[in-house]
Amino acid sequence: DAGITQSPRHKVTETGTPVTLRCHQTENHRYMYWYRQDPGHGLRLIHYSYGVKDTDKGEVSDGYSVSRSKTEDFLLTLESATSSQTSVYFCAISEGSLGTEAFFGQGTRLTVV
Amino acid sequence: EDQVTQSPEALRLQEGESSSLNCSYTVSGLRGLFWYRQDPGKGPEFLFTLYSAGEEKEKERLKATLTKKESFLHITAPKPEDSATYLCAVRDNNDMRFGAGTRLTVKP
Repeated sequence: DAGITQSPRHKVTETGTPVTLRCHQTENHRYMYWYRQDPGHGLRLIHYSYGVKDTDKGEVSDGYSVSRSKTEDFLLTLESATSSQTSVYFCAISEGSLGTEAFFGQGTRLTVV
Repeated sequence: EDQVTQSPEALRLQEGESSSLNCSYTVSGLRGLFWYRQDPGKGPEFLFTLYSAGEEKEKERLKATLTKKESFLHITAPKPEDSATYLCAVRDNNDMRFGAGTRLTVKP
């Protein structure tokens, strides 16, 4: 398995609270991504990073922010969690740009109550 | 709007019963079509990338093909361990879009 670790693996939080999910890689890949996966929707790209401090928005970025201060870490923050952000979140990494072979983490199941 | 549609949503096969999964897409400027396998509770695992119509890729019992409008994932003589959700994704000039997946169950 590619060296990708997501933490936490499960989290329950209350509406309106901030939440940060962490993705850590040991592969030294340049590109890192955050996706959410919901029944009937498939995976949807939230944000991605193409280098330290270089990030861009994906298809469903509203309500999310990201930061990448080191090559190995990519953080996803929900500033004020809402029930619509209940989902399974996946981090992915790739050597090349968006669309090249990507390796996914195990996912974080987030429930906002 | 760009779309990726997978069919069927679910497919149940007997061991050894060959079949195909479909991924149809409408994007401008295809820059790659990807197939992934996802087991329950796990992240997707990369299978294939196809870049141009007519291209084919094979891996064990799986074969992926691409036309200008769709891709097929052919499964020959499947085994129970092939049971999983198969995801298709399409890269265009600006975005990467995934289909909702086909959930495959292979019964012994």
